[in-house]
This record gives sequence, structure tokens and C-alpha cells, in this order.
Amino acid sequence: QKEVEQNSGPLSVPEGAIASLNCTYSDRVSQSFFWYRQYSGKSPELIMSIYSNGDKEDGRFTAQLNKASQYVSLLIRDSQPSDSATYLCAFSRMDSSYKLIFGSGTRLLVRP
Amino acid sequence: KAGVTQTPRYLIKTRGQQVTLSCSPISGHRSVSWYQQTPGQGLQFLFEYFSETQRNKGNFPGRFSGRQFSNSRSEMNVSTLELGDSALYLCASSAGLAGGDTQYFGPGTRLTVL
Repeated sequence: QKEVEQNSGPLSVPEGAIASLNCTYSDRVSQSFFWYRQYSGKSPELIMSIYSNGDKEDGRFTAQLNKASQYVSLLIRDSQPSDSATYLCAFSRMDSSYKLIFGSGTRLLVRP
Repeated sequence: KAGVTQTPRYLIKTRGQQVTLSCSPISGHRSVSWYQQTPGQGLQFLFEYFSETQRNKGNFPGRFSGRQFSNSRSEMNVSTLELGDSALYLCASSAGLAGGDTQYFGPGTRLTVL
């Protein structure tokens, strides 16, 4: 079983819709969770970090963490064509907290 | 504040050669992590340095090594290059003072091994 599972996509949504990206992880001692966005040919760019159960909102983005279910998600409201990218979830463990473990990413396509 | 810088941005080498990549973190950040990104394996952790000491190491062969200088700048070296080392090498900078610190990535060095 992979440590981090993401649906590779592509996830296709129309402009203005809500895009929902999901990530499950296998490690119960995971501590910190991150969502990064990566455009083709570019490096990952941080969207959001989340450390405790519940929702965290930042503009059009909402991250949701459920440690009991080992699940983290990212909602993008009012999706724009510029949101088309690969979204990577990552986590760090308490015993090696400076090492990020990444999922393989979900490709999002926002149709105009 | 300037972001993370990496040099060079592109490199072409042949098998058996060695290569050195450089990373300058965000000013004030003392932790530098290195990652390899390939289409097949995704983003994989190589190692992390803080105050010139390696704190974490990933599952890569000894051909991959790194170091950090007193000004927090870091270099990674790959010796005896193999075709499979072709990848985007990313460094990430963080304050490094608490576990789970946010890491900010540089633009990467694209290495091609022929």
C-alpha cells in the first residue's frame, strides 16, 4: 500500500464549479499536511497547510482533515481555468518531521 | 523577501560524470531539503540539512550526497551518473525550528543524463 494515495485524474470541472481533491494516507502518526499546486514544467507551490482536524479556509481554498479516517481533502470554489494544474498532497511524520512524503498528484482541468 | 534560488536551472551530463547542484534558501531559513521528481516515482525525499548537519536521509544510494554551509546555502552532489538520475531536482527551504514547518520550493534544476 502506498503511503499517500491520490486519484491521478484528470479531474475535469467547468469554470465556476467546485473542484474536490482527495488524499488518503496510511500512517497514523502523521503530523502535518500540505497541499501544493504544480503547473507543468514548474516547481510545487504551497497552497495550504493543515495540522488539526476540521476545516481550514483561505480564499477560494478549503482544506479538510480527518485524522481518524486518515483523509485530507482540498476544495476549490469558483474554479478558474488558471487553477488547471497538478495538485500534490504531502504529509510529514512526527518522527521525521522534516521529510515530506508526497502523493503522486491529481491533475485538475478547469474547462472555460 | 527573495525566494529559494537554485543553480543551474538546466544541466546535461553523460553517464559516469558527476554533478553538483546549488540551493540558496529564503533569508533567515536554516533548513534545506532536497527532492527528486521523476514521472515514474513522483517527488521523493533525498535529505535535509539544518545548521550544517544532515538530520534526515531518504532511500537513495550513496552516490547522492549533500552538504550545507554556515550561510545555510546547500549543495547536492551526484557521482557516477546513471540514465535513471535524469530528473527535476528540487530544494525546499524552511525555518527548520519546529517539526512540520512549511517548506517552500525553489524553481528546480532539470538534469538530463545522456
